[in-house]
Amino acid sequence: NAGVTQTPKFQVLKTGQSMTLQCAQDMNHNSMYWYRQDPGMGLRLIYYSASEGTTDKGEVPNGYNVSRLNKREFSLRLESAAPSQTSVYFCASTPGGFSGYTFGSGTRLTVV
Amino acid sequence: GEDVEQSLFLSVREGDSSVINCTYTDSSSTYLYWYKQEPGAGLQLLTYIFSNMDMKQDQRLTVLLNKKDKHLSLRIADTQTGDSAIYFCAETSGGSYIPTFGRGTSLIVHP
Repeated sequence: NAGVTQTPKFQVLKTGQSMTLQCAQDMNHNSMYWYRQDPGMGLRLIYYSASEGTTDKGEVPNGYNVSRLNKREFSLRLESAAPSQTSVYFCASTPGGFSGYTFGSGTRLTVV
Repeated sequence: GEDVEQSLFLSVREGDSSVINCTYTDSSSTYLYWYKQEPGAGLQLLTYIFSNMDMKQDQRLTVLLNKKDKHLSLRIADTQTGDSAIYFCAETSGGSYIPTFGRGTSLIVHP
């Protein structure tokens, strides 16, 4: 069982470049989430998708877009990367309700 | 808005018990969670407790909830070096199923 798979694991971008972070889950979960983790800041929610076909903004959505491609996949796009977007990005999923999250192993992004 | 506070660091000796504390502000909290993050990895759900419970035990882990004081703790018995990690407290409240996370407590276990 793979759980939540994120690609790539590492990425270096130049300021202004774009990229898409991929996330896929094989647990038939309804809800999927994107978080960023910065030192001393804990986890901050960027966007989430409560169910296939819906997406909503979280706490820090500026500079990002998302696509819930199907029930399995939820991608995060940076249209014009900025150094402030240097972070570790985590995708997570849940069946729904108050079930705890299953997290991916993260994408470590550096914007120079 | 909701706020979840944790101390940043805890250092213990191998074999001792560790107690990681968390306080939250929202009195309508429903579920409270503990996650573990090992270096270079994502968060892993350790355990959770519903707000009408006072205690939950799972092998070496004991969760205590004091709803009056809005205080949650995670006790790890017989702490091992493999328990060294960052531990995150999280809570859901007000009907939302999206948790608010604390900033994490780094547990360092030394021989």
